Amino acid sequence: DAGVTQSPTHLIKTRGQQVTLRCSPISGHKSVSWYQQVLGQGPQFIFQYYEKEERGRGNFPDRFSARQFPNYSSELNVNALLLGDSALYLCASSLVLSGSQSYEQYFGPGTRLTVT
Amino acid sequence: RKEVEQDPGPFNVPEGATVAFNCTYSNSASQSFFWYRQDCRKEPKLLMSVYSSGNEDGRFTAQLNRASQYISLLIRDSKLSDSATYLCVVTGGGNKLTFGTGTQLKVEL
Repeated sequence: DAGVTQSPTHLIKTRGQQVTLRCSPISGHKSVSWYQQVLGQGPQFIFQYYEKEERGRGNFPDRFSARQFPNYSSELNVNALLLGDSALYLCASSLVLSGSQSYEQYFGPGTRLTVT
Repeated sequence: RKEVEQDPGPFNVPEGATVAFNCTYSNSASQSFFWYRQDCRKEPKLLMSVYSSGNEDGRFTAQLNRASQYISLLIRDSKLSDSATYLCVVTGGGNKLTFGTGTQLKVEL
């Protein structure tokens, strides 16, 4: 079975530009979460979506937005890019939102964003 | 205080050694606990969930102490392929995963 897929794998943008990252969850998984990982740190939570609704948001500015589609895939958008947005952006999917072992989260390979 | 704290290491151990990692968390309401493994420039991969009763998967044993808000991972008979960063992860309100900064393990010949 296919795991979590993300596109693109690498991206180079300049300051002030906008970027859209895409994620397809594991088949049957209804929850998608986004994380940002900068070098030397653990991933930081950005958003969680379940059944197309936002269910959680981390401490990120409003320049970050996301959505989930009826097929459970998701997009993360970042506007007005800053140098500090350079990071690995990870998408994770889980079967359900909470309440059981089934919400173990599985990560995609990530999109490495470089802002120059 | 960080929500999840880990010793960053690196832990340099010989092949065949037993090594233990510890992790503390600050939110007493945390409900679920995991260890993830991350290789250089790769995504985190779920190693094991951590249950209150403790659990074992082959050479790996995880323990949870809710009273002390402490999680541990024990790796027996270390292999070269165990070299990676081990991330301690807890969930709190809203089911988001909160990661520690990771502990780097290097297994040497």
